[in-house]
Amino acid sequence: DQQVKQNSPSLSVQEGRISILNCDYTNSMFDYFLWYKKYPAEGPTFLISISSIKDKNEDGRFTVFLNKSAKHLSLHIVPSQPGDSAVYFCAAVPMNRDDKIIFGKGTRLHILP
Amino acid sequence: NAGVTQTPKFRVLKTGQSMTLLCAQDMNHEYMYWYRQDPGMGLRLIHYSVGEGTTAKGEVPDGYNVSRLKKQNFLLGLESAAPSQTSVYFCASSPRLGNSGNTIYFGEGSWLTVV
Repeated sequence: DQQVKQNSPSLSVQEGRISILNCDYTNSMFDYFLWYKKYPAEGPTFLISISSIKDKNEDGRFTVFLNKSAKHLSLHIVPSQPGDSAVYFCAAVPMNRDDKIIFGKGTRLHILP
Repeated sequence: NAGVTQTPKFRVLKTGQSMTLLCAQDMNHEYMYWYRQDPGMGLRLIHYSVGEGTTAKGEVPDGYNVSRLKKQNFLLGLESAAPSQTSVYFCASSPRLGNSGNTIYFGEGSWLTVV
């Protein structure tokens, strides 16, 4: 039973345009969400996070939106750059379980020149 | 600035052989994790530890054992390697997560092939 779902295995976006990566979750007990970025042959690195008490968090070109009623979050990258080509993982942490983080399967983003 | 260090980075094993992957972190984190990444499967948790001397099963624990004798080290063992264990293994560590703003830090990965 997949609690964190990234339904698009891959996404191609023109350089300079907006990239939108989506993530859905099934467990209403998640209260903290994170996005990680992974280049080939490297470990995942933390990108941005959002608490369930917020609906938006912004860090430079990266913005994460949370829609709790829809159990949906999205990562927006504006403008997209070639170095953004990577696999992006959505992750969630359940309330009162500070030892657990559950990852989605990832979305591979290709930035086209 | 070492962070999370995994050894070895690459290994080829024959079916039935045993081996241990070592993970070391220098951030004084309480929690440590072992994940495997396979094509189309994302990151799957094998085992984790919430402190020195503790271990717990994750999503895919079968065929693996772990030990956390020291806070900074988390060992992943394969007693009798199988081709299905061919994968990329990531160790990670974190302080308490929760709604804290904390995050989990990954090592660079260990590529294991079982033939």
